[in-house]
Amino acid sequence: DQQVKQNSPSLSVQEGRISILNCDYTNSMFDYFLWYKKYPAEGPTFLISISSIKDKNEDGRFTVFLNKSAKHLSLHIVPSQPGDSAVYFCAVHSSNTGKLIFGQGTTLQVKP
Amino acid sequence: EPEVTQTPSHQVTQMGQEVILRCVPISNHLYFYWYRQILGQKVEFLVSFYNNEISEKSEIFDDQFSVERPDGSNFTLKIRSTKLEDSAMYFCASSDRPSGAFFGQGTRLTVV
Repeated sequence: DQQVKQNSPSLSVQEGRISILNCDYTNSMFDYFLWYKKYPAEGPTFLISISSIKDKNEDGRFTVFLNKSAKHLSLHIVPSQPGDSAVYFCAVHSSNTGKLIFGQGTTLQVKP
Repeated sequence: EPEVTQTPSHQVTQMGQEVILRCVPISNHLYFYWYRQILGQKVEFLVSFYNNEISEKSEIFDDQFSVERPDGSNFTLKIRSTKLEDSAMYFCASSDRPSGAFFGQGTRLTVV
């Protein structure tokens, strides 16, 4: 079941630079798209979401972009900070089912 | 800030034994979920619960699994006869709407 794909297992970025995390999905019926951040031995922490009727949502250093025609979602973090180092999961939600479907995750390392 | 709490943080059990994982969702939330993450793999949906009944379950959630909301505040996941492959981090999540769930810190289940 590869409905949500994060093709980059890891990303390394210098502090202060932009981090761009990508996610692709297959089903155009999803209505919400979310990003979660996860540290080892902790639960996923909700970061930011976007509705399918929008193409951009911004919250401080975090911006999520949605390209529905390409079925592509991205998270921009700028400027990146060492404390941003974690695993980032994109997730999609379908109002038909109520569940979240997660991607495999991308490990972000921000180097000081 | 309200949070989802899970107990215990780590449970070790013998194969074939029953385990109960406990969760206290955020108090005004109506939607409840269990997810799990096997080491090195992605977060997987197990079951969603709304209005005192299961609204959806995955193929992982077979007859060995059950969920209960026994007293209006707790939300439990029971595994009747644990198998080695049930070893994982189990995350409880809750939400006040059908999207954007908040996760607990997780219970690490180790089946030996």
